[in-house]
Amino acid sequence: DTAVSQTPKYLVTQMGNDKSIKCEQNLGHDTMYWYKQDSKKFLKIMFSYNNKELIINETVPNRFSPKSPDKAHLNLHINSLELGDSAVYFCASSHPLNYGYTFGSGTRLTVV
Amino acid sequence: GESVGLHLPTLSVQEGDNSIINCAYSNSASDYFIWYKQESGKGPQFIIDIRSNMDKRQGQRVTVLLNKTVKHLSLQIAATQPGDSAVYFCAENPNDYKLSFGAGTTVTVRA
Repeated sequence: DTAVSQTPKYLVTQMGNDKSIKCEQNLGHDTMYWYKQDSKKFLKIMFSYNNKELIINETVPNRFSPKSPDKAHLNLHINSLELGDSAVYFCASSHPLNYGYTFGSGTRLTVV
Repeated sequence: GESVGLHLPTLSVQEGDNSIINCAYSNSASDYFIWYKQESGKGPQFIIDIRSNMDKRQGQRVTVLLNKTVKHLSLQIAATQPGDSAVYFCAENPNDYKLSFGAGTTVTVRA
């Protein structure tokens, strides 16, 4: 059973398109996150949600809009994709009493 | 910028030797630190953590050392194996809903 699952694993799209990445966790965690990993492997937080509420928006362009329909899901929608959005996007979740995060396997987004 | 960084971007180690990966952090308010391992094509995987009230914590073949005086964190891997080849990240929590990651060290194990 996959603890944190993301779909799709690969996404290739043209500039200007709108795309979504889905994330689901079956760990019963209250908090979920989106991280972006660039070509140099640097991991940077984008958003964190706790019980469906936005807690952190780390100066991400408003073309990125997260949605949390329930605490087990956190989706990421991206409008008007740009070349610089190409990266690997990781979803993660954590329990408030245990800060250790569980990460999904990532979505490699390539904008052409 | 991020408050956590690693001293070396790459580390090459002979199989069977011990590995030491270093990390410096700058946020004095952080009270929790984690080491992650990321293999190619996968997400970061938890290795070991340590809270600020401890100096050392041991796991299976891994030891994390925390020096709060100089804001330094290290990960020691005993008897390094080929399966230990990966990118290693240190991370700190400046608040309850965020982990800040360093740039990562790529460890290559030579047979």
